Amino acid sequence: KQEVTQIPAALSVPEGENLVLNCSFTDSAIYNLQWFRQDPGKGLTSLLLIQSSQREQTSGRLNASLDKSSGRSTLYIAASQPGDSATYLCAAMDSSYKLIFGSGTRLLVRP
Amino acid sequence: ETGVTQSPTHLIKTRGQQVTLRCSSQSGHNTVSWYQQALGQGPQFIFQYYREEENGRGNFPPRFSGLQFPNYSSELNVNALELDDSALYLCASSLAGGGGYTFGSGTRLTVV
Repeated sequence: KQEVTQIPAALSVPEGENLVLNCSFTDSAIYNLQWFRQDPGKGLTSLLLIQSSQREQTSGRLNASLDKSSGRSTLYIAASQPGDSATYLCAAMDSSYKLIFGSGTRLLVRP
Repeated sequence: ETGVTQSPTHLIKTRGQQVTLRCSSQSGHNTVSWYQQALGQGPQFIFQYYREEENGRGNFPPRFSGLQFPNYSSELNVNALELDDSALYLCASSLAGGGGYTFGSGTRLTVV
């Protein structure tokens, strides 16, 4: 049974810092891995999708990597801004195309 | 390109009642999934529909049921509501074959 874990559960950083969010999964037989952002009380916004054959994806200040052999993905945020404050969720897609989510990392970027 | 839309945005129901939540898929997407997100937790998979047939179900009791219509919109029905059903219900659509999911803004259900 796939399990997804995110560390840390919460993170507070000053504006301008580069930071890394971690995601680990127990079953390496994933179809893809997706990172989402969730603002309080809102739905999920897709940030990056990494197919199982890929190693990383980049979008602006965001870079996500995937290492299937070690069961890990990281989301790197460069030059963090207060507007980046949100909960970040990673989700692994299994062979039946359903997403297994971690519990998220709550990020606060202080001005 | 329209996104995923869900209605209503908020709902308050009494324990034992029934509720129907609605979702319109993103244009061109033929697969819809429903997730339940309790406060402070990651979303949990309820079920998935492809071409109007359920093709995957999570660990939820039969009182959670759904439908997908020919235009790929979908409904989630919950019977005999319990207090623990209070959560954010998220609908997501995608193209079959493991593409990325697009999520709606969710329906916040409160059972009192």
